[in-house]
Parts: sequence; structure tokens; C-alpha cells
Amino acid sequence: DTGVSQDPRHKITKRGQNVTFRCDPISEHNRLYWYRQTLGQGPEFLTYFQNEAQLEKSRLLSDRFSAERPKGSFSTLEIQRTEQGDSAMYLCASSQLQGPSSYNSPLHFGNGTRLTVT
Amino acid sequence: AQKITQTQPGMFVQEKEAVTLDCTYDTSDPSYGLFWYKQPSSGEMIFLIYQGSYDQQNATEGRYSLNFQKARKSANLVISASQLGDSAMYFCAMKLGGGSQGNLIFGKGTKLSVKP
Repeated sequence: DTGVSQDPRHKITKRGQNVTFRCDPISEHNRLYWYRQTLGQGPEFLTYFQNEAQLEKSRLLSDRFSAERPKGSFSTLEIQRTEQGDSAMYLCASSQLQGPSSYNSPLHFGNGTRLTVT
Repeated sequence: AQKITQTQPGMFVQEKEAVTLDCTYDTSDPSYGLFWYKQPSSGEMIFLIYQGSYDQQNATEGRYSLNFQKARKSANLVISASQLGDSAMYFCAMKLGGGSQGNLIFGKGTKLSVKP
């Protein structure tokens, strides 16, 4: 399988604990994205990387959230001191930059990590 | 502000019939891409079809076609010959050419149910 993979698929944690999610993009893709999706809503953008550089962060990404892509391959998303409002599906996606503008390149998503904070 | 609007929370269609899912968008950027994704109950987001703002013809991919009306800022998805496996959430999304090139903006989705 050469698609985007995310680990774990499900995570249940107690409020106040830290959690970390991993995403492995499609190998030739240089862009990696994190999105959050709550029930009944479309995905909301959190952040994205081009290679190892984090190029954009949403205002949704509070100080408790940190994302890394140290070698330009896999990425991790850490949430510190989790709150019940963090319960959501966290989606990772990747794409390949084509030419000077990327608006024509589709994102390919993983199956997501469903986080439940109790 | 950039925005995607999907006004149909839910739609029903009889198997083998065609269905149109509505999407309108708002942007002042002349360069943008419009995408449709399918999300089955299992959760994965599946890319269906793409339309660029400068494309002269409507995009088609198998049973999916995109009815792109630029002046009306609409990008409706047409699914022909519906199948039971088409039952899912469908999301319209937009990506801009300038400025924030990383941000794919999604609508709230339409839940399609195909009846046998």
C-alpha cells in the first residue's frame, strides 16, 4: 500500500495527558498537511509542510499543538495537556507540488486518527 | 473571505439515477482549484475530481462530472448512474493560487444516500 498512513487509528486519553500522532505520506510527495474534522463538519486546516519546512499554521493550532517533519518524510502532531474540545478526527494528507503554483494538485488523505479525550 | 457553501445537508437518490450535489464558492483570487472528495463511513477522504479556474471545459472522471459555472461561482458535482456504494459524505473544497497555497478550504458536506 503506497497511500498515506496514519497511526494510531484511534486514541482515547484522559484530559491533561499528552498525545502524539504519526503520519507517513506518499513517498514522492513533498507537501504534508494536517487537518482536524469534528462531527458533522468538513475538515479544517491546521498546518502544512513543504519538505521539512513548516510553511503555514492555522489560528486553530494553539500553543498546545506542535507538528514536526524532521527529515521531510514522516510527520508527528503532538497535543499537550489535552482538553475535551480536542476530541476530533485528525487527518493527514500529502501532495506533490507541480510547477510554480500548487492549486491544481489534489491532496491525498490518510484514514485519520480519531482522538477521544475523556 | 474565501468560503465554500454546500446547502444540501442530505440528499436521496434512487439507484441508477443521476444526482447533482451543489457547491458555491467565494473568492476574489483569479487562480484557484475546486475539488470534490468522498468520505464513506469508514472515514477516509477520497479524491474524486478537480476543476481549475482557467479550465475551459467541465471536468469529468468516469461517472463524476463537475458542472462549473464561473460567473455564478458554482461547481456542482454530478454523479451519473448512482450505485449503492456511492452512499457517503461528499465535500466540495477550494485551494487558492496565490497567498495561502497550502490551505484546502472545505464546505460542510452533503450526505448522499442511495436507495435500492
